[in-house]
Amino acid sequence: DSGVTQTPKHLITATGQRVTLRCSPRSGDLSVYWYQQSLDQGLQFLIQYYNGEERAKGNILERFSAQQFPDLHSELNLSSLELGDSALYFCASSARLAGGGGTGELFFGEGSRLTVL
Amino acid sequence: GIQVEQSPPDLILQEGANSTLRCNFSDSVNNLQWFHQNPWGQLINLFYIPSGTKQNGRLSATTVATERYSLLYISSSQTTDSGVYFCAVAGNQFYFGTGTSLTVIP
Repeated sequence: DSGVTQTPKHLITATGQRVTLRCSPRSGDLSVYWYQQSLDQGLQFLIQYYNGEERAKGNILERFSAQQFPDLHSELNLSSLELGDSALYFCASSARLAGGGGTGELFFGEGSRLTVL
Repeated sequence: GIQVEQSPPDLILQEGANSTLRCNFSDSVNNLQWFHQNPWGQLINLFYIPSGTKQNGRLSATTVATERYSLLYISSSQTTDSGVYFCAVAGNQFYFGTGTSLTVIP
């Protein structure tokens, strides 16, 4: 158990719908990262938060948004869903900010598997 | 951003064989990690190894930061070692390689 909790584990929805994925980082970790992994693909970085503030953006679509709350949990909102959004969405956390003097170890949740029909 | 290249992309081994996976990166980093993604999709931390050598059972890893590469050694492979191995480095964000897909056959 990595200590990073993601819900839901599985989600099936229809095109055009909106879903919210939730992540609780490891206790004490201030940085949260979201990644997308499509079938048989690598990990695509979406967005990073540190202590409530957005710190880096990757290839995140405009239909997607995220935030990190004061209690440090994070949510990833996916709207106007398309078939191509079907993927495994991972949340990860680290103690410190990437780019600082050492990030601390990165830990992943078990992922949320989204299927868009 | 930092380029991370992993080799080989695919590897098929007989159970009991040894293997070496390589990760090259294009710039100095302050963190390097190896992950194993099992067939169920879970990403499991193997090593946090910005430099030096570490061992954990049948697995060991070496990072030579000055030469910008890391190696993951798997000895006496087992079918449970199958999956994808990712290398990740941290610069201003985390950068992942495209992985080595390992299949261990009995």
